[in-house]
Amino acid sequence: GESVGLHLPTLSVQEGDNSIINCAYSNSASDYFIWYKQESGKGPQFIIDIRSNMDKRQGQRVTVLLNKTVKHLSLQIAATQPGDSAVYFCAEKWNNFNKFYFGSGTKLNVKP
Amino acid sequence: DSGVTQTPKHLITATGQRVTLRCSPRSGDLSVYWYQQSLDQGLQFLIQYYNGEERAKGNILERFSAQQFPDLHSELNLSSLELGDSALYFCASSVRTSGGANTGELFFGEGSRLTVL
Repeated sequence: GESVGLHLPTLSVQEGDNSIINCAYSNSASDYFIWYKQESGKGPQFIIDIRSNMDKRQGQRVTVLLNKTVKHLSLQIAATQPGDSAVYFCAEKWNNFNKFYFGSGTKLNVKP
Repeated sequence: DSGVTQTPKHLITATGQRVTLRCSPRSGDLSVYWYQQSLDQGLQFLIQYYNGEERAKGNILERFSAQQFPDLHSELNLSSLELGDSALYFCASSVRTSGGANTGELFFGEGSRLTVL
């Protein structure tokens, strides 16, 4: 699902499958991007980040891909688990600015 | 635990009232950011402080104000409250800051849930 507009798109996956969450960012001058996970009633938690001089970065079970040509960011979660159920936000930091702009989020539902 | 502490966790008040939300950043973090999150919405940037000074401003209403104190804790003041101000208010601090420019990710507190009746 892609985060656009004011609605909260939902992605439903089966436990054990891979998940791909997409994000279209707004500013071609953004130089730093982060994916956050927000569980119900909690604050956003850092998952993984990537700088604009990279196009791929891998963490534990997560991979972030950056396509600057089309201003697109994706988060891949391998072997999705029930504990991955949450809302996922991408955030971009505009170069030379202090502000992080967040996308509207994608809700991930993991079915057991 | 992110190390960012926000109080109160929940607050219920009436329209027209004024409230103050408090944030203690991670030890050593000089920057504090405030965000507003309405129901099923994204995070809207309000304002950023660095070492006591305002550094960046977002979509913050004139009825809202903030400050950062010498001990680096921050307060967000919301006045003349309206029903639409009901939201989660998050504070975040940055891991690495050089001269006021953020060079790393934000660490968020658990938020203060404000309900205006």
